[in-house]
Amino acid sequence: DTAVSQTPKYLVTQMGNDKSIKCEQNLGHDTMYWYKQDSKKFLKIMFSYNNKELIINETVPNRFSPKSPDKAHLNLHINSLELGDSAVYFCASSQVGLAVYEQYFGPGTRLTVT
Amino acid sequence: AQSVTQPDIHITVSEGASLELRCNYSYGATPYLFWYVQSPGQGLQLLLKYFSGDTLVQGIKGFEAKFKRSQSSFNLRKPSVHWSDAAEYFCAVCDNYGQNFVFGPGTRLSVLP
Repeated sequence: DTAVSQTPKYLVTQMGNDKSIKCEQNLGHDTMYWYKQDSKKFLKIMFSYNNKELIINETVPNRFSPKSPDKAHLNLHINSLELGDSAVYFCASSQVGLAVYEQYFGPGTRLTVT
Repeated sequence: AQSVTQPDIHITVSEGASLELRCNYSYGATPYLFWYVQSPGQGLQLLLKYFSGDTLVQGIKGFEAKFKRSQSSFNLRKPSVHWSDAAEYFCAVCDNYGQNFVFGPGTRLSVLP
């Protein structure tokens, strides 16, 4: 009964390809996030979705597009992958509407672009 | 906008020794503060949080943190470190609306046997 799950765990692909990472949470939370963790472990928020509405969109390339089919899912689609996209991507969720602000994280997806 | 600094990039302690990891934040009002731990190859796990009230908060795995408004600090402590505590530790802050979640750069903890 994993709270926040991501697939795949590892993703190796070539430059120029398009790929997606899936995220699901079974906590009933109303807000989901995507983070990028670089090789120096620095965590940067990329997107957040609240009730299927984008509320934060950091300055990430428009090759990255979050898609939320429902409140429990937030997928990340990446077009025209570049070497610099190699990182670990984390999905997270929280219940902002009830002032439960702590975020719960998935296990991460390690993306390697060759 | 909020910001978080963790002055120590890497700390090494002996097993059984006490530990203090430093965190300083910048925010105009009383922030919501968190400490997370990331074991190698794993996601982030919440250790503890501070919203209001008692400035000493207890968390999981024997960790505690002290909020000091005057110093804009939220330092993480543990009286006796175990080898399994070796990991990356992140301090984080968000605003009063649960938005603008910002993580510090992390402190890597190594534990000597």
